[in-house]
Amino acid sequence: GAVVSQHPSRVICKSGTSVKIECRSLDFQATTMFWYRQFPKQSLMLMATSNEGSKATYEQGVEKDKFLINHASLTLSTLTVTSAHPEDSSFYICSARDPSEKAFFGQGTRLTVV
Amino acid sequence: GENVEQHPSTLSVQEGDSAVIKCTYSDSASNYFPWYKQELGKGPQLIIDIRSNVGEKKDQRIAVTLNKTAKHFSLHITETQPEDSAVYFCAAFPGPGDKIIFGKGTRLHILP
Repeated sequence: GAVVSQHPSRVICKSGTSVKIECRSLDFQATTMFWYRQFPKQSLMLMATSNEGSKATYEQGVEKDKFLINHASLTLSTLTVTSAHPEDSSFYICSARDPSEKAFFGQGTRLTVV
Repeated sequence: GENVEQHPSTLSVQEGDSAVIKCTYSDSASNYFPWYKQELGKGPQLIIDIRSNVGEKKDQRIAVTLNKTAKHFSLHITETQPEDSAVYFCAAFPGPGDKIIFGKGTRLHILP
């Protein structure tokens, strides 16, 4: 299947700093990518839909100024967690759909804010 | 909007036996139903999918069935092996440009 690459896989940052997570579709172009957050032993919670060349669409309750999304090219979307706090610690996962609309996920990023 | 219910939340089966996970969806417009396997600390991996114009699809030990009338779809894993232990998510896709809706997941334990 298609490959979606996400980096970094793990990051530890100090409270108040910002962290950027990258998501790349390696063998197809994705006009739309998705960012999820997953709490332990729970399902995936959609945070936002990233649209190439336009503003991201955020789900209700997700702070757009805190979770900045940039989709600058057809193969790259980034999620920046700004002014991170311990409650932002979580597992973040990106997804991209290939031309047949199949959704593939990145490896996930474990963010720990200390 | 679409709603996906998944059962059971936890399933333990003896190695070599079969495992069945069931999902129901609410939106009759949904036409694509993928299944994902998620291992600890990793992102979900697409393992099999089915579109609404097909009733069953099989890939080696994994099969998926779809009943459009009842809005049910199921994942069947035969001859289970230890490496099948993981969390499995079903999902429904209402249509192009729509969000994929996930079930809450099933934690599958393969017992030695």
